[in-house]
Amino acid sequence: DIQMTQSPSSLSASVGDRVTITCRASQSVSIYLNWYQQKPGKAPELLIYGASSLQSGVPSRFSASGSGTDFTLTLSSLHPEDFATYYCQQSYRTPWTFGQGTKVEIK
Amino acid sequence: QVQLVQSGAEVKKPGASVKVSCKASGYTFANHYIHWVRQAPGQGLEWMGLINPGGSTGYAQRFQGRVTMTRDTSTSTFYMELNGLTLEDTAVYYCARVDRSAASHLDYWGQGTLVTVSS
Repeated sequence: DIQMTQSPSSLSASVGDRVTITCRASQSVSIYLNWYQQKPGKAPELLIYGASSLQSGVPSRFSASGSGTDFTLTLSSLHPEDFATYYCQQSYRTPWTFGQGTKVEIK
Repeated sequence: QVQLVQSGAEVKKPGASVKVSCKASGYTFANHYIHWVRQAPGQGLEWMGLINPGGSTGYAQRFQGRVTMTRDTSTSTFYMELNGLTLEDTAVYYCARVDRSAASHLDYWGQGTLVTVSS
């Protein structure tokens, strides 16, 4: 199975901060890398697909890049509603696998 | 609009089985795979498997022999049945639709079904 490792596992930030989350795959996943946001008690929501494509309706302050094994998700300026847990997920090969998550908390 | 509506919470005893449903609406049923993902309390997301509209399935190795995914085309409903429940199967179970274009991401999710396994 392809292992996905996110860092950091958690971070504290303030509204307006720029935040970057990284995701590393144990082998190349090309650009078959997606990012999801999950708020407490809610289902995950797709933010980014294909490593860098913004899902319809997602604010442009979210961006992502990478290919192969190393990927990043960037929030250019944190809004109050962005405090949540973020997961990367590879869809290059089944079983699809998720990173362990990065919890973004209010400082 | 696209909706995946899941069945309600369940409480089961160890060794029992649970069957969770996921009713799809707002899109052409035959055009999209459905995946199942679970999340134990306070934990991350775990992929369980997939089913295509034709009924073909693929399961994560750790659930092989214990999970069955099916669909009912007449009601546009997908099902996930998990047998031999243990306390470690306590989790929220989600169904999620795969996009059609690249078939590479989960673009719509059900609201989740909490399955509690308790003696």
